[in-house]
Amino acid sequence: EADIYQTPRYLVIGTGKKITLECSQTMGHDKMYWYQQDPGMELHLIHYSYGVNSTEKGDLSSESTVSRIRTEHFPLTLESARPSHTSQYLCASRDRNSPLHFGNGTRLTVT
Amino acid sequence: SQQGEEDPQALSIQEGENATMNCSYKTSINNLQWYRQNSGRGLVHLILIRSNEREKHSGRLRVTLDTSKKSSSLLITASRAADTASYFCATYRSGANSKLTFGKGITLSVRP
Repeated sequence: EADIYQTPRYLVIGTGKKITLECSQTMGHDKMYWYQQDPGMELHLIHYSYGVNSTEKGDLSSESTVSRIRTEHFPLTLESARPSHTSQYLCASRDRNSPLHFGNGTRLTVT
Repeated sequence: SQQGEEDPQALSIQEGENATMNCSYKTSINNLQWYRQNSGRGLVHLILIRSNEREKHSGRLRVTLDTSKKSSSLLITASRAADTASYFCATYRSGANSKLTFGKGITLSVRP
């Protein structure tokens, strides 16, 4: 298993709350990614970063934001959670020549 | 539309049987990757095949790639109950907009 960690694993939160999903990796990978996955569905890339202070939006429009102040840390923030944000969020990383290493995900439920 | 599309969507087999899963894609690629996802977990990389390769093996896994048909297959031989999972193909295209694009996945159930 890869050394990439996501917290929390499960989060139930009320509408309007601000939340931050944490993702950390200890492999020194420059490239990090956030995917959103609904049950039984494909993964959609919502954010990625190719290094410190570099962040880009992915294919799927998302109201979330990300930051990359340190190589190992790539948190995702929702300023005001809504029920439509209910989903599983997967963080991944890789270096130039490796496939993606995934964390175990955060399953978010917004009530 | 999605670059990688798996077929079938769901597959149920008996332990010991072989499982074959297919993936088709639309544009040229640099490599194709297969991942496995156990319920409630992240994806785990299984195997990568480059566009200039036709077949690759890893343990009980065999992957083929036919770039002329833009398709790939993943064969799991002598399946085990522990192989029960969702399997995703992902295509990678390098360049200015390099990206790894995932299909919807195949749900494999292996009955003991």
